[in-house]
Amino acid sequence: AQKVTQAQTEISVVEKEDVTLDCVYETRDTTYYLFWYKQPPSGELVFLIRRNSFDEQNEISGRYSWNFQKSTSSFNFTITASQVVDSAVYFCALSEASNAGGTSYGKLTFGQGTILTVHP
Amino acid sequence: DAGVIQSPRHEVTEMGQEVTLRCKPISGHNSLFWYRQTMMRGLELLIYFNNNVPIDDSGMPEDRFSAKMPNASFSTLKIQPSEPRDSAVYFCASSRRGPSNYGYTFGSGTRLTVV
Repeated sequence: AQKVTQAQTEISVVEKEDVTLDCVYETRDTTYYLFWYKQPPSGELVFLIRRNSFDEQNEISGRYSWNFQKSTSSFNFTITASQVVDSAVYFCALSEASNAGGTSYGKLTFGQGTILTVHP
Repeated sequence: DAGVIQSPRHEVTEMGQEVTLRCKPISGHNSLFWYRQTMMRGLELLIYFNNNVPIDDSGMPEDRFSAKMPNASFSTLKIQPSEPRDSAVYFCASSRRGPSNYGYTFGSGTRLTVV
């Protein structure tokens, strides 16, 4: 069974601080996908990144960066120079590759989420 | 593209009433997922479909819940009879796996309150 653990329930930082959100996953699949989603106070789920299990390159997008390490089954997310607008709940999620064919995903399993509050 | 469209956005109903939530996935997506979000249980998968066929409904809490996908452009989640513990935000998501498609697109959700 798949499992995603976000051990940090809540994080509080002051604006301009760097913050790292931890994510550890469990799966028996050899092909899988990892995601981060942001849920702002308005409630929608906003996609941030997808990473394939065979691609361990770290990625940077503006103030966001992701560190994927298969050896430790971790997919951590760092926000550099945090801003008040970054305040949200952040979810890490894991998806298996569906057996239904190359064009389908399997189910997406979410972690419990980390509430990030950035104070001015 | 209009994205995944869910209706209604908000629903308030009395205990015992039937509730139907609706979802229109993104055209061309071949998988559809229903999730429920609560404070206690977080985001949990209820059921998902591939090519309109239900693949895994193990997350459906009980027989009061049912979901259908009669065609590629429409799905419903029905609760009959509804109970106060069904109060939650229900999300629909659709996806099509491919090198250029990042994955799952979520609708704005339906906030259900059962009184």
